Amino acid sequence: QKEVEQDPGPLSVPEGAIVSLNCTYSNSAFQYFMWYRQYSRKGPELLMYTYSSGNKEDGRFTAQVDKSSKYISLFIRDSQPSDSATYLCAMSTTDSWGKLQFGAGTQVVVTP
Amino acid sequence: DAGVIQSPRHEVTEMGQEVTLRCKPISGHDYLFWYRQTMMRGLELLIYFNNNVPIDDSGMPEDRFSAKMPNASFSTLKIQPSEPRDSAVYFCASRTQGLGETQYFGPGTRLLVL
Repeated sequence: QKEVEQDPGPLSVPEGAIVSLNCTYSNSAFQYFMWYRQYSRKGPELLMYTYSSGNKEDGRFTAQVDKSSKYISLFIRDSQPSDSATYLCAMSTTDSWGKLQFGAGTQVVVTP
Repeated sequence: DAGVIQSPRHEVTEMGQEVTLRCKPISGHDYLFWYRQTMMRGLELLIYFNNNVPIDDSGMPEDRFSAKMPNASFSTLKIQPSEPRDSAVYFCASRTQGLGETQYFGPGTRLLVL
């Protein structure tokens, strides 16, 4: 079993809808949680970064971490066609010095 | 800032040939990571360096793979001899300790081994 599980999708939504993405993990030592966005034929780019539990909001994006359930989520409000990409969750422990564990990535398609 | 620079962007080679991928991290970043991405296995960490020193190479698949970082602004990933199963997109990423776990990725090198 992988340390980080993520449904690969694809997830297709109409423009303006809320996109809901999530990952589950098994290592309770994970403290840093990130969401990366990857456009086709591009490198991943950091979208959201959260330390430990709680919520974080940045514009249309909200990241949630529930450490008791080992579950993280990313919500995209008012989705746009430009949000069509693959979204990867990533996480690490405090002593891993940057060694990230990535989920498989969820492909999101926002249709006009 | 130019971001992480990788070359070549595309590489097509024949089985058995040596392949060298290159990376220039963001200036001032003291960590450098090499990843491989495939449809089957997703994004896998191969090796990472801190201050030019290899810290963890447990993700390097075989002895055919080697990586070096001779100075703070340059790193190479070499595959010798290459095999068709090495076909993947190889990413380089860098970060600095002061920015938490944020890693900045390069555009990747798309490798096809025939």
